[in-house]
Amino acid sequence: LAKTTQPISMDSYEGQEVNITCSHNNIATNDYITWYQQFPSQGPRFIIQGYKTKVTNEVASLFIPADRKSSTLSLPRVSLSDTAVYYCLVGSSGSARQLTFGSGTQLTVLP
Amino acid sequence: SQTIHQWPATLVQPVGSPLSLECTVEGTSNPNLYWYRQAAGRGLQLLFYSVGIGQISSEVPQNLSASRPQDRQFILSSKKLLLSDSGFYLCAWGSGTETGGYTFGSGTRLTVV
Repeated sequence: LAKTTQPISMDSYEGQEVNITCSHNNIATNDYITWYQQFPSQGPRFIIQGYKTKVTNEVASLFIPADRKSSTLSLPRVSLSDTAVYYCLVGSSGSARQLTFGSGTQLTVLP
Repeated sequence: SQTIHQWPATLVQPVGSPLSLECTVEGTSNPNLYWYRQAAGRGLQLLFYSVGIGQISSEVPQNLSASRPQDRQFILSSKKLLLSDSGFYLCAWGSGTETGGYTFGSGTRLTVV
C-alpha cells in the first residue's frame, strides 16, 4: 500500500494561493494520485486526479514531479468556503485494497 | 449520471441494539463498493469493500459486518452495537478502473448511547 504523508493543518488568507504537498515515497507504477475535499459531516468530494506532470481543472491544479514521490495540490485564490480537510489518495481504483486515506490536511482560510 | 444514496443521515442507538445501514448506487453497474468510518476529528478508516455480489473483504476485525445482496446495494450491519461503534459512516463507490475517483455518499452519523 502506498502510504501518504500530509501536513496536519495549514492556514491561509482569502485571495491567496494555497499549496498542499503530499509525500508518497513508495508509489507504485500503476498508482494514480487523487485529491479529495471534505467538509464537516459530509462525504469527501473528488477534486482532481493525475499520474504525472501537471493537471489542471476548474478548481485546482495538481503538480507531480518526475519521480512521483510527492504531489502538490494548488488552490488558486482561496475563499472562506475552501476551509475543509483535504486528502491525498494514492492508488489504483482497479484494486480495492489500495483505497486507503491518510489523515488529511485541515485548511483554514482566514478573512 | 451516477448517484449514491445512503441512509439514514443520523441515528442514535442504545448499546447492544442491532444496526443496519444501507447504501445504493444508481447509474452504473458492477461498481466497487466501500464502507468507511470516520471518528470525530480523524481520517477515514476503510471497513469493508466489495467487488461484486456476495464478495466482501474486511479490512479491520470488529463488531460490524457487511453484505452485498444486489449489484448496487451495500449494507453495513451489527448484531450488538458497542459505544466504540459511534462515528460517521460513509459509503463510496468506484468504477473499478484505474482512473477516475470515488464517489461518496452523504454519510450516517451514528451515536451509540
